[in-house]
Amino acid sequence: GAVVSQHPSWVICKSGTSVKIECRSLDFQATTMFWYRQFPKQSLMLMATSNEGSKATYEQGVEKDKFLINHASLTLSTLTVTSAHPEDSSFYICSARDISGSGNQPQHFGDGTRLSIL
Amino acid sequence: GQNIDQPTEMTATEGAIVQINCTYQTSGFNGLFWYQQHAGEAPTFLSYNVLDGLEEKGRFSSFLSRSKGYSYLLLKELQMKDSASYLCAVRDSNYQLIWGAGTKLIIKP
Repeated sequence: GAVVSQHPSWVICKSGTSVKIECRSLDFQATTMFWYRQFPKQSLMLMATSNEGSKATYEQGVEKDKFLINHASLTLSTLTVTSAHPEDSSFYICSARDISGSGNQPQHFGDGTRLSIL
Repeated sequence: GQNIDQPTEMTATEGAIVQINCTYQTSGFNGLFWYQQHAGEAPTFLSYNVLDGLEEKGRFSSFLSRSKGYSYLLLKELQMKDSASYLCAVRDSNYQLIWGAGTKLIIKP
């Protein structure tokens, strides 16, 4: 089945640091990848939609200069949290849509990255 | 606006049956999905409904009524490992997934 690899799985760093999270589709091509954030006991919140070769589409309230997204190839998207602060601590999850457009499972999820800013 | 409602939390007994409901109001409809999410993990796909009726997959079944904007996930022969959050998501006319807040299911022995 389709596999999405997300790395790193856990990051602890100091306030002011920039953190890059990678999301790779291992056995399929993904023209579209999605970045979610999930705070404890809350649902998934879509941050942005990443399209290969073009600019990401950010959801309302998400700062595009703080959460930099790059989708340079059909198998890799990266999210960089710039100058991270404690309030950015959260569980970040990426998902990818298979280019073949399979209808009954629209998104394949990575395992998530737990980000803790001290 | 777009809205998906599901109960915040439910409790059931091991071996029993539980039904988790989901109602939705979205701009267009292109399928409804149920995902399971264990604490600290990413969601995993459970089921997909695009036509009215019941889809059965082992111990899990999902039902859809498009006219009522309603779905439910039915879990039979509950096991302790079924303790998780269950997320209902609807794909709208723009093929975007709209997520519910999730239902935390607690299984007691």
